[in-house]
Amino acid sequence: GAVVSQHPSWVICKSGTSVKIECRSLDFQATTMFWYRQFPKQSLMLMATSNEGSKATYEQGVEKDKFLINHASLTLSTLTVTSAHPEDSSFYICSARDTPSDGYTFGSGTRLTVV
Amino acid sequence: QQQVKQSPQSLIVQKGGISIINCAYENTAFDYFPWYQQFPGKGPALLIAIRPDVSEKKEGRFTISFNKSAKQFSLHIMDSQPGDSATYFCAASKGFGNEKLTFGTGTRLTIIP
Repeated sequence: GAVVSQHPSWVICKSGTSVKIECRSLDFQATTMFWYRQFPKQSLMLMATSNEGSKATYEQGVEKDKFLINHASLTLSTLTVTSAHPEDSSFYICSARDTPSDGYTFGSGTRLTVV
Repeated sequence: QQQVKQSPQSLIVQKGGISIINCAYENTAFDYFPWYQQFPGKGPALLIAIRPDVSEKKEGRFTISFNKSAKQFSLHIMDSQPGDSATYFCAASKGFGNEKLTFGTGTRLTIIP
């Protein structure tokens, strides 16, 4: 089945620095990828839809200048958390779909801790 | 109209029993209903999914029941095992292609010996 690889699995950074998270579709091409944020014991909250070769579509309330998304190729989307602060600490997860008849495959997630 | 309501929030079932989780949706344009299983510190994994042209789908111990008129669907886990202890999310999306998923609030399932 389709595999989505996410890296790193965890990262600790200092407040004010930027962190980049990568999401790769390993055995298929993904024109669209989705980025989610999940707080402890809560559901997944869609942050943005990443479109290859064009600007990402952000959900209401998500700061596009803080969460930079780049989808430069059909197999790679990146999420950069700029000027991170402790409140940005969360679990970030990406997902993509191989074909319309397939389910959405999720990456293993990235635990971001800002200190 | 984009909401998917999920219940219960938590569920404790004895080993070998049946676990039942329910979801209800409002948007009649939804036509894809997956269930995801998530273990702590991991991304969600697709368990089983259904489209509204069928009322039930079974894969191993997992069954989705779908009631289009009531706009409800449920997950049944037969012969529940301790390894099934996880958080389960229902979701819904509309159309084919890359439509975004709307998730339920999640159910924390605990299977006790």
